[in-house]
Amino acid sequence: KQEVTQIPAALSVPEGENLVLNCSFTDSAIYNLQWFRQDPGKGLTSLLLIQSSQREQTSGRLNASLDKSSGRSTLYIAASQPGDSATYLCAETNFGNEKLTFGTGTRLTIIP
Amino acid sequence: EAGVVQSPRYKIIEKKQPVAFWCNPISGHNTLYWYRQNLGQGPELLIRYENEEAVDDSQLPKDRFSAERLKGVDSTLKIQPAELGDSAVYLCASSRRSARETQYFGPGTRLLVL
Repeated sequence: KQEVTQIPAALSVPEGENLVLNCSFTDSAIYNLQWFRQDPGKGLTSLLLIQSSQREQTSGRLNASLDKSSGRSTLYIAASQPGDSATYLCAETNFGNEKLTFGTGTRLTIIP
Repeated sequence: EAGVVQSPRYKIIEKKQPVAFWCNPISGHNTLYWYRQNLGQGPELLIRYENEEAVDDSQLPKDRFSAERLKGVDSTLKIQPAELGDSAVYLCASSRRSARETQYFGPGTRLLVL
């Protein structure tokens, strides 16, 4: 069974700092991994998608990495801003099925 | 392009009552998903459609949940009768072809069963 873990469940950092969010997965046959952002009371917004053949993807101040051998992905946020405050979820897709398996998320608070 | 549209946004019902949620995916997206998200948890897939065919409904509690996607566009998810444990956010998402592509999510319907 595919399992995705995100630790810590909550994180607070001062504005302007760089930060890293962690995601661990047990799936050895991962097809891709996605990072999503969820604002309170809203749906999910896709931030980055990394294929299993890739090691990282970048979009603006965001950089996501994927290490299949260790079963880990990280989301790096540079120069954090209060608008980055949200819950960040990672989700992986398996080669054998087309089902997204989500982690429980990390609730990020950027302190002005 | 318009995003995934869901209605209603909020619904409060008493247990044993029926409830239905509606979803309109992004135009041209063949694959549609219904997820349930409990408080503090990540979304869990209930059902996935490719066009009008339900290709994965293994997590759908079929004794009380039903879904349809007529004409391969809009979809409706129904619960009858609702139980207290069904209180959650029901999210609809769509992708262009397969689940291996980026999924675009609607704002969700927050259901409270009393």
